[in-house]
Amino acid sequence: EDQVTQSPEALRLQEGESSSLNCSYTVSGLRGLFWYRQDPGKGPEFLFTLYSAGEEKEKERLKATLTKKESFLHITAPKPEDSATYLCAVQAGGNFNKFYFGSGTKLNVKP
Amino acid sequence: DGGITQSPKYLFRKEGQNVTLSCEQNLNHDAMYWYRQDPGQGLRLIYYSQIVNDFQKGDIAEGYSVSREKKESFPLTVTSAQKNPTAFYLCASSPREALRAFFGQGTRLTVV
Repeated sequence: EDQVTQSPEALRLQEGESSSLNCSYTVSGLRGLFWYRQDPGKGPEFLFTLYSAGEEKEKERLKATLTKKESFLHITAPKPEDSATYLCAVQAGGNFNKFYFGSGTKLNVKP
Repeated sequence: DGGITQSPKYLFRKEGQNVTLSCEQNLNHDAMYWYRQDPGQGLRLIYYSQIVNDFQKGDIAEGYSVSREKKESFPLTVTSAQKNPTAFYLCASSPREALRAFFGQGTRLTVV
């Protein structure tokens, strides 16, 4: 069964304190892994797509990496405006247009 | 501006009523989706459609219905058979190659 698990469920950081969020997955034939940011009461905002193990993508203070079993979202020197829920999703080869989402990591960055 | 528009932003339903959530996209995407989001849970797929006049059930389709008569529109009806409809509903679309899904801003449905 295709499955996506994110950890931790919640993370509190001080401004400037770097950390990582984890997304582990079990899918048949990964077509792509996606990271989204979601603010309260809003729709998810796209951050990155990763397609193969070893791939890395960066955007400002965020860096996403991918292995054969998991992905990490590294946050370097976070600011309070980085506070949000970060969602991971995968697209499996057998279900071309279906995206499977994890339950998210709620990040709170204190000034 | 291109994007996905969901309406209304907030919706209140009485017990036993059917309600319809609107989703319109002007991105010329082939695929459209409806997800439900509950506190502390991930997005769960209700229905999806890859082409006009065709749609498939997702993981939690019971108590919901959809139509896809036009490429740009994918309305979701929450029927009285849905026993726990209070949730945040998200509509999304993706191009044929499904490189990623684009989301609307959501509709919060509350049963009163």
